[in-house]
Amino acid sequence: DAGVIQSPRHEVTEMGQEVTLRCKPISGHNSLFWYRQTMMRGLELLIYFNNNVPIDDSGMPEDRFSAKMPNASFSTLKIQPSEPRDSAVYFCASSSGDGLYGYTFGSGTRLTVV
Amino acid sequence: GENVEQHPSTLSVQEGDSAVIKCTYSDSASNYFPWYKQELGKGPQLIIDIRSNVGEKKDQRIAVTLNKTAKHFSLHITETQPEDSAVYFCAAVILTGGGNKLTFGTGTQLKVEL
Repeated sequence: DAGVIQSPRHEVTEMGQEVTLRCKPISGHNSLFWYRQTMMRGLELLIYFNNNVPIDDSGMPEDRFSAKMPNASFSTLKIQPSEPRDSAVYFCASSSGDGLYGYTFGSGTRLTVV
Repeated sequence: GENVEQHPSTLSVQEGDSAVIKCTYSDSASNYFPWYKQELGKGPQLIIDIRSNVGEKKDQRIAVTLNKTAKHFSLHITETQPEDSAVYFCAAVILTGGGNKLTFGTGTQLKVEL
């Protein structure tokens, strides 16, 4: 298995632009998580899905952030419009619902908003 | 919700010495405790985990202990090597079979000096 695949690895964009981050979970995993990592706040859970359904989006910082999971093999995190304070590393992770196989993280997307 | 505290935030040891990282959690219903290692520029990688029905688990130079009564768990690394240098995160989760989410500690920067 190729693991959790995220794209792009790096993204530099101008303030006000739309940014879309992509994630392909491990085949067979039915839970998917989006995290944001910064030096100041550490690892923050933004939203998670179970069986493609959003379960908890209380970590989404504001309406500029949205996430979708149209099918079991793909999810997107969109920021529109982007702001410099959104600069961070965004991680996607997936797991089987019972946690037997643990949580597996992708390599992350480093977002820089200038 | 769950709250996980992790200490110390930084730890420096000599090669060959042992390293211990401690975490406490707040929700007595938490029943799964993974530890992650994050190297520079990479996503967190699961290194060991323990479930609440076990008090200790060992995998080569790494061991984890759990005290459910006190609600704390620890990571022990023996015979440390330079490649152990990384940021280590503890986490806690309640496994319910659907939509389980990790609550992370704030991380420990471990440096193994030659």
